[in-house]
Amino acid sequence: GAVVSQHPSRVICKSGTSVKIECRSLDFQATTMFWYRQFPKQSLMLMATSNEGSKATYEQGVEKDKFLINHASLTLSTLTVTSAHPEDSSFYICSARTLAGEQFFGPGTRLTVL
Amino acid sequence: AQSVTQPDIHITVSEGASLELRCNYSYGATPYLFWYVQSPGQGLQLLLKYFSGDTLVQGIKGFEAEFKRSQSSFNLRKPSVHWSDAAEYFCAVGSNSGNTPLVFGKGTRLSVIA
Repeated sequence: GAVVSQHPSRVICKSGTSVKIECRSLDFQATTMFWYRQFPKQSLMLMATSNEGSKATYEQGVEKDKFLINHASLTLSTLTVTSAHPEDSSFYICSARTLAGEQFFGPGTRLTVL
Repeated sequence: AQSVTQPDIHITVSEGASLELRCNYSYGATPYLFWYVQSPGQGLQLLLKYFSGDTLVQGIKGFEAEFKRSQSSFNLRKPSVHWSDAAEYFCAVGSNSGNTPLVFGKGTRLSVIA
């Protein structure tokens, strides 16, 4: 099946710094990628839909100036958490959509903000 | 509104016993249905999907699911559970239109006892 990677898998940062998370589709092109956030023992919460070459579409309540999304190519989308604070600590998961409509998920990135 | 309901938050079964995880959905269009599994600290792995055709779909790891349109259900089954099946299971619904994200249920945590 299709493979989606995320980097880094874990990151610990100080409050106020910015963190970039990369999501790559390794063996297919994805015009659409999705970013999710997952709190402990919770389901996935969609943050935004990332479309190659255009602005991301954010879900209600998600601050687009805080969570910057760039989808510069058909295989790469990045999520930058700007001026991170402890409440941003979470598990961030991306997914990439194939032309057939399937979504394949990355392994996730554990962000801890001190 | 689109929604997915997984009525069981936590299920415990004995190793070797059969398993059924329930999923009900509400979706305005023809649904694409998915089951994903997530181990602690990991991303989501696709178990199986239903797009059209035969309503009984086979997936990986011995799982199967049956789409019942009249009941708006897509229950996941396995005839004999293994200890390694202990994980969180998510049912999701989507469509084949380009930017539509998946809608996830809240998940069912499966525990397997000896």
